[in-house]
Formats: sequence, C-alpha cells, structure tokens
Amino acid sequence: NAGVTQTPKFQVLKTGQSMTLQCAQDMNHEYMSWYRQDPGMGLRLIHYSVGAGITDQGEVPNGYNVSRSTTEDFPLRLLSAAPSQTSVYFCASSLTGNRLSGANVLTFGAGSRLTVL
Amino acid sequence: KQEVTQIPAALSVPEGENLVLNCSFTDSAIYNLQWFRQDPGKGLTSLLLIQSSQREQTSGRLNASLDKSSGRSTLYIAASQPGDSATYLCAVTGANSKLTFGKGITLSVRP
Repeated sequence: NAGVTQTPKFQVLKTGQSMTLQCAQDMNHEYMSWYRQDPGMGLRLIHYSVGAGITDQGEVPNGYNVSRSTTEDFPLRLLSAAPSQTSVYFCASSLTGNRLSGANVLTFGAGSRLTVL
Repeated sequence: KQEVTQIPAALSVPEGENLVLNCSFTDSAIYNLQWFRQDPGKGLTSLLLIQSSQREQTSGRLNASLDKSSGRSTLYIAASQPGDSATYLCAVTGANSKLTFGKGITLSVRP
C-alpha cells in the first residue's frame, strides 16, 4: 500500500547513544517532515525538506540531523541521545510544501516510539 | 505566536449522541484549518480541511465549521459510534505557511 513507512516502531536507547529513524514514502512527494509528539505539548516540527538535497530547520531542531539524498527517503539522526528526546516521532509528507493549497494534505506515518534512558 | 487550544482534553459520550469538538486559535490570519484523527499507536489521518474563505466542510457524518474572525472552529459528529473513539486534533496554517497543531481532544464513545 502506498504511504509513509517508518522504522523502527519502538526503540530504547541509553543516553549518549546514536541512532537513525528511517522514513520512506512511495507517493513521489516533494515535501517530507519530521514531528515529535509529547504529552501536553502537541506536535512540533523538527526538520523538513521541500525536495531532494534541500533541508531546513523547524521549531525544535536541536539534537537532530537530517538529509535528503533521494525523493523517497528522509532519515532523522540522533547523534547523542538525551532523555529529553524521549518521544513519539512522526514522519509526514505531502505533494509539495505549499501549505496554502487545500490539496496538499500531509500523509503521516504510524510513528516511532523512542525511549532514552 | 499562533496558539491553538482544544478544550476539553477528553470527552466521553454515549453512542448515538451528536457532539461538537471545539478548536480556538489566537491569530486569525490563517490560510486554512484542518481536523485530523489519531487512533492509539497510529499516525494522523486528515478528516477535513477548510480554506480561510470557506465557512464549513462536510464529509459523511462529520461537519467542520470555521469562524476566522472569532478564531474558532468546531467539528460536529452526528450519531456518534464506538468506532469514532480516537483523538481529534485541529491544525491551522498561518501566514508563514507554518502548521500549528492543537493538543487534541480524546473522544470515547460508550456502547
């Protein structure tokens, strides 16, 4: 089925470890993004990309790196995990980054639940 | 800074009841407003999108209205069913194309 695929679904890390959350979409979407969802905080944008080779920071980028070498993939890297990064992470994509277009609705992945001890 | 508020945080109703979920936002300079549904352990699914020039959108038993000047939107669910149990989030697109989410309302529909 077409959509946004995130792996892994669950991950436990120790403080200081590094890891990569994978995100892939097969809808030929130009725009991809990463959000984190925390209790009482709502969804917050971490990083986004409007096309291959182009990335930019969102609201809470510190501690995270991204790259966009292909249209399909947008991995999120934690270089040195901290307990404050315990969260549920969502990857979302849309045809373009034009949020003003009513046809440009975000498609979300199922999420990756990360716990940092 | 745009803030989106959804109150109450949780709601429990008996099956068959018509219900209204509220969303308010502080900056009325928005381009559109969306309602999403999130099931436990899953991602968000878009339900309805209302452009700033529109007053309402309908899809099946769902009707979303927008009053931009007062900074309010409502999601009306007719004849609620247990399958409607989920968290409902609203999000607004502001003048800088930034999407700001509310924290959501967790709805439980009792059989």
